[in-house]
Amino acid sequence: AQSVAQPEDQVNVAEGNPLTVKCTYSVSGNPYLFWYVQYPNRGLQFLLKYITGDNLVKGSYGFEAEFNKSQTSFHLKKPSALVSDSALYFCAVRYGAAGNKLTFGGGTRVLVKP
Amino acid sequence: DTAVSQTPKYLVTQMGNDKSIKCEQNLGHDTMYWYKQDSKKFLKIMFSYNNKELIINETVPNRFSPKSPDKAHLNLHINSLELGDSAVYFCASTQDWTGAYGYTFGSGTRLTVV
Repeated sequence: AQSVAQPEDQVNVAEGNPLTVKCTYSVSGNPYLFWYVQYPNRGLQFLLKYITGDNLVKGSYGFEAEFNKSQTSFHLKKPSALVSDSALYFCAVRYGAAGNKLTFGGGTRVLVKP
Repeated sequence: DTAVSQTPKYLVTQMGNDKSIKCEQNLGHDTMYWYKQDSKKFLKIMFSYNNKELIINETVPNRFSPKSPDKAHLNLHINSLELGDSAVYFCASTQDWTGAYGYTFGSGTRLTVV
């Protein structure tokens, strides 16, 4: 079965410092990988995706993620975090054999301190 | 214009009641979903429809019945509500069944069963 893990429940970072949110996946074959962000009392917002091609993908709000097939990882990164980046971040994987459904990780809460 | 809209936003009801949540998308997407987010923020897929046809029905109790009158609408009816049904329910849509596109989520319906 497909699965995705976010090993950190919370990440704390100072404003202006680099931000990394970790994600690893477990599927056979070629996964489609996604990152979403959820602000309080809001629905999830799409940030970026990896389908194929360049391993480094760029998304909304200055975020990027690197697909690493050998490590089965898709970590989300931002070079310089903002206080407004404080939110809940979800990694998700879609694997073709499982039909078109996204399986989400447990989420990582990011707290950016001024 | 709201892309994916859900009503109501909040729903408080007693155990044993029957309630419905409505979802509409104006994006022209073919595929729609219901996800349940529990108190620990874990997201789990419940149902998926593609062009009004039920595609995914994850191990959800029979008390939950989705209906899609057309591809722009996906409603969720819940019979005999139980305390454990308390959660935030998210509707989402995506362009098609390929899984290559990100999802657009509604803002959620917070269901509280008392």
